[in-house]
Amino acid sequence: ETGVTQTPRHLVMGMTNKKSLKCEQHLGHNAMYWYKQSAKKPLELMFVYSLEERVENNSVPSRFSPECPNSSHLFLHLHTLQPEDSALYLCASSQDYGGWLDGYTFGSGTRLTVV
Amino acid sequence: GQNIDQPTEMTATEGAIVQINCTYQTSGFNGLFWYQQHAGEAPTFLSYNVLDGLEEKGRFSSFLSRSKGYSYLLLKELQMKDSASYLCAVVSGAGSYQLTFGKGTKLSVIP
Repeated sequence: ETGVTQTPRHLVMGMTNKKSLKCEQHLGHNAMYWYKQSAKKPLELMFVYSLEERVENNSVPSRFSPECPNSSHLFLHLHTLQPEDSALYLCASSQDYGGWLDGYTFGSGTRLTVV
Repeated sequence: GQNIDQPTEMTATEGAIVQINCTYQTSGFNGLFWYQQHAGEAPTFLSYNVLDGLEEKGRFSSFLSRSKGYSYLLLKELQMKDSASYLCAVVSGAGSYQLTFGKGTKLSVIP
């Protein structure tokens, strides 16, 4: 597989559930990102990992917990979410953090619905 | 703070030319991206401008004026498959390499 793969594509969870989103890239990139895309709002950066270390955390509530076990995988662990957390969650990667000349490669996203 | 503005929606006719504008006010500037996003799909990279002027790539061109905080994406010979959202994103400076996105412009191409 090539590119950035996200699973699952769709997720419905209750407010008391715990679930995880997975992102995998086979591009040899060193930086990975989580973005949130809500209706009628801009893409919002949540977390940035560079060489498996978190370098940005944009005031994201603690109910979202990222994990980067290696440079190819990125997880977003979810617990006790709120209905307003329903959104499209996009993973992206780039060659390096700040190495944007070729742009970011995005996954297709996980459509999350919190009920 | 960061502010990026683009029109919410545009409609254009197949075969025509359309220009999607983006204005920005950011603390620092390290370049501007344009992405295309079809409904339910991943955003895909279209262009990156860091110097003033026009960059052309086939049917798509992107222009930047740093002094005016302004960019546009020009799509020529529109095709139905160009119906998508077009996202403007700015890389701000000040020690951070974050991409700040606009809300996107939904382009509908009609026959």
